[in-house]
Amino acid sequence: DIQMTQSPSSLSASLGDRVTISCRASHSIGNYLNWYQQKPGKAPNFLIYAASNLQGGVPSRFSGSGSGTDFTLTISSLQPEDFATYYCQQSHSTPYTFGHGTKLEIK
Amino acid sequence: QVQLQESGPGLVKPSGTLSLTCAVSGASITDLNWWSWLRQPPGKALEWIGDVYQTGTTNHSPSLRSRVSTSVDKTKNQFSLMLASVSAADTAVYYCARRFLLDGYGYFDYWGQGALVTVSS
Repeated sequence: DIQMTQSPSSLSASLGDRVTISCRASHSIGNYLNWYQQKPGKAPNFLIYAASNLQGGVPSRFSGSGSGTDFTLTISSLQPEDFATYYCQQSHSTPYTFGHGTKLEIK
Repeated sequence: QVQLQESGPGLVKPSGTLSLTCAVSGASITDLNWWSWLRQPPGKALEWIGDVYQTGTTNHSPSLRSRVSTSVDKTKNQFSLMLASVSAADTAVYYCARRFLLDGYGYFDYWGQGALVTVSS
């Protein structure tokens, strides 16, 4: 199985801050990397596919980059609705695996 | 708008079988997508269980493969999950989702609201 490791596991930031979340795959996955946002008690919300492609309707302050084994999710200017847990997920091969999440909290 | 809705018992006895159904609206189960099951134990990360195509072809996680069964019902536009020989470790929120394929890239774009299933006697 491909292991996905996210860092940090939690992050405190202020409104308007620029934040970056990292995700590392245990094997090269090309750009088969997706990002999701999850708020407490809710299902995940799909954000980005193929490492850098925003799903329709996702604000442009979200961006993704990377290939191979190292990926990042960047939020350019934090808004109140962005405080949530973020997960990366590899779609390169089964079993599809997720990172353990990065909880973004208000400072 | 695509919507998915899980249904099934919220409590299953140890060694019993967990059974969930996902009703799909706003899309056809015969569209060129895979229909997936995932779960999330309380306070933990997401885990992919497996998925099923309209033809009945399945992919299952190796860690659960011996206990998992997934199927589609085209007449009802729904798909189902069965997980046998459950234990407390199977207690989780179970999600159904659509795995959309675009130019070879797959992603879970629509999710059900989730169904908490507790394994307890």
